[in-house]
Amino acid sequence: GAGVSQSPSNKVTEKGKDVELRCDPISGHTALYWYRQSLGQGLEFLIYFQGNSAPDKSGLPSDRFSAERTGGSVSTLTIQRTQQEDSAVYLCASSSTFLAGFTDTQYFGPGTRLTVL
Amino acid sequence: QKEVEQDPGPLSVPEGAIVSLNCTYSNSAFQYFMWYRQYSRKGPELLMYTYSSGNKEDGRFTAQVDKSSKYISLFIRDSQPSDSATYLCAMSEGSNFGNEKLTFGTGTRLTIIP
Repeated sequence: GAGVSQSPSNKVTEKGKDVELRCDPISGHTALYWYRQSLGQGLEFLIYFQGNSAPDKSGLPSDRFSAERTGGSVSTLTIQRTQQEDSAVYLCASSSTFLAGFTDTQYFGPGTRLTVL
Repeated sequence: QKEVEQDPGPLSVPEGAIVSLNCTYSNSAFQYFMWYRQYSRKGPELLMYTYSSGNKEDGRFTAQVDKSSKYISLFIRDSQPSDSATYLCAMSEGSNFGNEKLTFGTGTRLTIIP
């Protein structure tokens, strides 16, 4: 079946502009995650959605970052007033949830490469 | 100091060699240990998954976890050029909701020379 898809694949923006990054998870996956991958930094957790529960936003680096998930499926990560240090690859992952709440392996999308000039 | 430390490499070995990749960590609450492989311009894909200490083998890949030393390893036997990628270790504390909030190492870039 189809994997996690993300759009756009590349985004170049000017400092101070807002950007929206989209993630389409695997159909039926209730859990959705956003990570950021910067050069030499590895993957950094940003936010986690699980079903209808309140999202875990503990990884968001500042209040310029926000995310929403509509209808329990598609998610949008918004970065307001972008800064050069926001340049990174933004990765989305999704996983299914078993009975008793245990989540399965996270499957990653190809990422959106964001460049802030 | 980062919670998970991983030598970024790069690491180059000849085809057929045994590759050893390692990570150390400081958080004793980590219970789930994973290795992901990431090809250039692609998202990470799960290779191996281990709960707590011990060894796990899957084909040419063996994952080892030593919780007493806070040290995990991935061994690749009979390495192939197609194994050339960045290998990321990942860990989580786990809870009632399984593997959310993975903490990753920085990744080791591996090249297998034909």
